[in-house]
Amino acid sequence: DVKVTQSSRYLVKRTGEKVFLECVQDMDHENMFWYRQDPGLGLRLIYFSYDVKMKEKGDIPEGYSVSREKKERFSLILESASTNQTSMYLCASNSQAMGNNQPQHFGDGTRLSIL
Amino acid sequence: AQSVTQLGSHVSVSEGALVLLRCNYSSSVPPYLFWYVQYPNQGLQLLLKYTSAATLVKGINGFEAEFKKSETSFHLTKPSAHMSDAAEYFCALGETAGNKLTFGGGTRVLVKP
Repeated sequence: DVKVTQSSRYLVKRTGEKVFLECVQDMDHENMFWYRQDPGLGLRLIYFSYDVKMKEKGDIPEGYSVSREKKERFSLILESASTNQTSMYLCASNSQAMGNNQPQHFGDGTRLSIL
Repeated sequence: AQSVTQLGSHVSVSEGALVLLRCNYSSSVPPYLFWYVQYPNQGLQLLLKYTSAATLVKGINGFEAEFKKSETSFHLTKPSAHMSDAAEYFCALGETAGNKLTFGGGTRVLVKP
């Protein structure tokens, strides 16, 4: 069974801090994704990566960056945290090698509060 | 541009009653559609997916969804609600390129005893 693990379930940081959210998947998936989830807005894509060191902006990349140095790990970075980045962050992965439109597999999420 | 609309952010049903969650999509190409469920404090789990093989798709936990091209809809149903169905449900539309998803806003289901 696919396992997507996010390093923290809950995180509290202060404005201006640099924040790292980590995600690891164990299924050798090519694609990895970072979303933020806010009430009434569903999930919005921040960044995704389709290969090591490759990344593409999603719908709301401002204020975020990502890093993918190894295939199994995808990190989301808040360069200078602000209160409007308080949210639930979800990581997901899926296989590109198995063809188009494979389901995404999600981690349990990190609830981040910026004070 | 692709989009997904879920009608109703909250739905309340009685235990044993029909669950109906509505999803409409907009896509310029034949769509791939998914329903996911999110239980409290968890990530999303796949309920079912439509990939053009059949218009009626059966998923886990007794849920099914029907794809109607003429109505651009992919509504989710379950004949008899159970207390364990209380969760938030998301409809999602797949983009071929990069296997990305566009999500609807979600519908939270409350099941009353």
